[in-house]
Amino acid sequence: DGGITQSPKYLFRKEGQNVTLSCEQNLNHDAMYWYRQDPGQGLRLIYYSQIVNDFQKGDIAEGYSVSREKKESFPLTVTSAQKNPTAFYLCASSIGLVTGGVLTFGAGSRLTVL
Amino acid sequence: QQQVKQSPQSLIVQKGGISIINCAYENTAFDYFPWYQQFPGKGPALLIAIRPDVSEKKEGRFTISFNKSAKQFSLHIMDSQPGDSATYFCAATLRWGGADGLTFGKGTHLIIQP
Repeated sequence: DGGITQSPKYLFRKEGQNVTLSCEQNLNHDAMYWYRQDPGQGLRLIYYSQIVNDFQKGDIAEGYSVSREKKESFPLTVTSAQKNPTAFYLCASSIGLVTGGVLTFGAGSRLTVL
Repeated sequence: QQQVKQSPQSLIVQKGGISIINCAYENTAFDYFPWYQQFPGKGPALLIAIRPDVSEKKEGRFTISFNKSAKQFSLHIMDSQPGDSATYFCAATLRWGGADGLTFGKGTHLIIQP
């Protein structure tokens, strides 16, 4: 089945540590996205990528970094510079950047900073 | 700047009742309005969407009503079932724009009581 795989599902981190969340898709989609979800805050865009080796900052990129070395993969690193990293992180993809608002989401990764 | 306002934040409905979630938008350029459904621990999934040239769209028990002059749209769930319990997000975007322009409401946590 085609879809998006996020790992790990749950992750605990000590303050000051960087952590990388994995996102892999087998939908042959060109565009990929990372969203952050906090209770009562909706979905906020962190980074997005339309093509390999290119990515753009979203609304809340500070403290995060990404790479897009392969079409299928779009890992997100939560750095120690992110002041409040505890959240539910969602990876998504679309056929292209022009999507008509249609995104396919992964099941998410929950990060807790101890 | 919150471009899509969603209400209520939480909603409890008896089984068989009608669930109503409302959204209002500010940007008159928006021309595509999708709704996403998210079950606990999962990523959101596209439920139904509407364009502003249509006042109503129905898919099974789910209906979107759209009021262009008021810049409002709403989701109605008829004969609500416990399996409909989820978080619902409205969104707005430009249909031929990039998904980086997809703006989400803050979500409604819906509970259907048996």
